Amino acid sequence: QKEVEQNSGPLSVPEGAIASLNCTYSDRVSQSFFWYRQYSGKSPELIMSIYSNGDKEDGRFTAQLNKASQYVSLLIRDSQPSDSATYLCAVRQGGFQKLVFGTGTRLLVSP
Amino acid sequence: GAGVSQSPSNKVTEKGKDVELRCDPISGHTALYWYRQSLGQGLEFLIYFQGNSAPDKSGLPSDRFSAERTGGSVSTLTIQRTQQEDSAVYLCASSPPRGVGTGELFFGEGSRLTVL
Repeated sequence: QKEVEQNSGPLSVPEGAIASLNCTYSDRVSQSFFWYRQYSGKSPELIMSIYSNGDKEDGRFTAQLNKASQYVSLLIRDSQPSDSATYLCAVRQGGFQKLVFGTGTRLLVSP
Repeated sequence: GAGVSQSPSNKVTEKGKDVELRCDPISGHTALYWYRQSLGQGLEFLIYFQGNSAPDKSGLPSDRFSAERTGGSVSTLTIQRTQQEDSAVYLCASSPPRGVGTGELFFGEGSRLTVL
């Protein structure tokens, strides 16, 4: 079982729709969870972090964390073509600082 | 520059040769990470440096890979006797002291390694 799992996609949504991206992780003691966005040919950039169960909103983005079920999700409201990218879920394991990434979900937003 | 700087941006080498990849983190950042990303794949953790602590080398795939960080700043990733499966983009990231434990990594543009 991979440490961090994501559906590779592509996830296709029309402009203006809600995109829902999901991630599961295997290490129960994980404490910190992150979403990075990576445009094609570019390096990843942090867009959201979440540490407690529940929802965290930042503009059009909402991160959701459920530690009991070991999943974290990212919702993108009013999706725009500029949101088309690969979204990487990352988990900081236990007491270690190492950040483990999933393989990413490719999102395509069509005009 | 203000960002993480990596060199070379592109490196083509022959199988069996050694290569060195360099990373200059953002000034003041105490944590430095190396990842590699193969085509269409996620980020594979290689090694992590934090201040003067012993590095976490748990991700290095073989003893052909090594890394050092001099003076708590610049880092060099060395791959000896390169193999074709080493072909990938090698990404360096740094994190400020307040970011340690929060996972806020700032990535460089990467070094693309092609082993012929």
